[in-house]
Amino acid sequence: SQQGEEDPQALSIQEGENATMNCSYKTSINNLQWYRQNSGRGLVHLILIRSNEREKHSGRLRVTLDTSKKSSSLLITASRAADTASYFCATGQLLDSNYQLIWGAGTKLIIKP
Amino acid sequence: GAVVSQHPSWVICKSGTSVKIECRSLDFQATTMFWYRQFPKQSLMLMATSNEGSKATYEQGVEKDKFLINHASLTLSTLTVTSAHPEDSSFYICSSGRVGGFRASGGADTQYFGPGTRLTVL
Repeated sequence: SQQGEEDPQALSIQEGENATMNCSYKTSINNLQWYRQNSGRGLVHLILIRSNEREKHSGRLRVTLDTSKKSSSLLITASRAADTASYFCATGQLLDSNYQLIWGAGTKLIIKP
Repeated sequence: GAVVSQHPSWVICKSGTSVKIECRSLDFQATTMFWYRQFPKQSLMLMATSNEGSKATYEQGVEKDKFLINHASLTLSTLTVTSAHPEDSSFYICSSGRVGGFRASGGADTQYFGPGTRLTVL
């Protein structure tokens, strides 16, 4: 399975600043999802954006999707120390009529107090 | 939100033994469940798609005879690591989407993940 690519691999910023993470993919998608994972914990679904949507908001999160460029970005505004975690994007794709999630490698975000 | 549970959460076993991991959807029916493994500091790797009442679909490079998947009901999928070896030590995670969402919208809109099972093979 092809994997999406995320950049940066790691990001360290000061609390209060905005954090932006990007995700690129290679094939057509049904949707794109962002997940968060705290160290040693399970994944938490953050937001899903469908292929016919361009932008979505959820609290301090803003996700954009550009299907022409096959890329998405996750913006966390006014970051907090509690936002420190790894963030993964995953594309929902139909492959031979089966739905599968294809994951990116993740971005490790560190918020410095 | 929907809940997916996994059991056990942590298991240590001797090399050569088999370990069964259960994944249950607690408040919804799941025709499809996904099994992932995650190596330390690496992203999730999809191992297989578990389909209720039929054979699982394995990703390239995943040994189907080593990682046996059974999806006998709409709420339970099991992953059995047979003849486990130290290189099988990993974090195994299952996920599932809701029944109906797949056909109605063209895709399972949201995946609900289990908390994961950490397997350590000595």
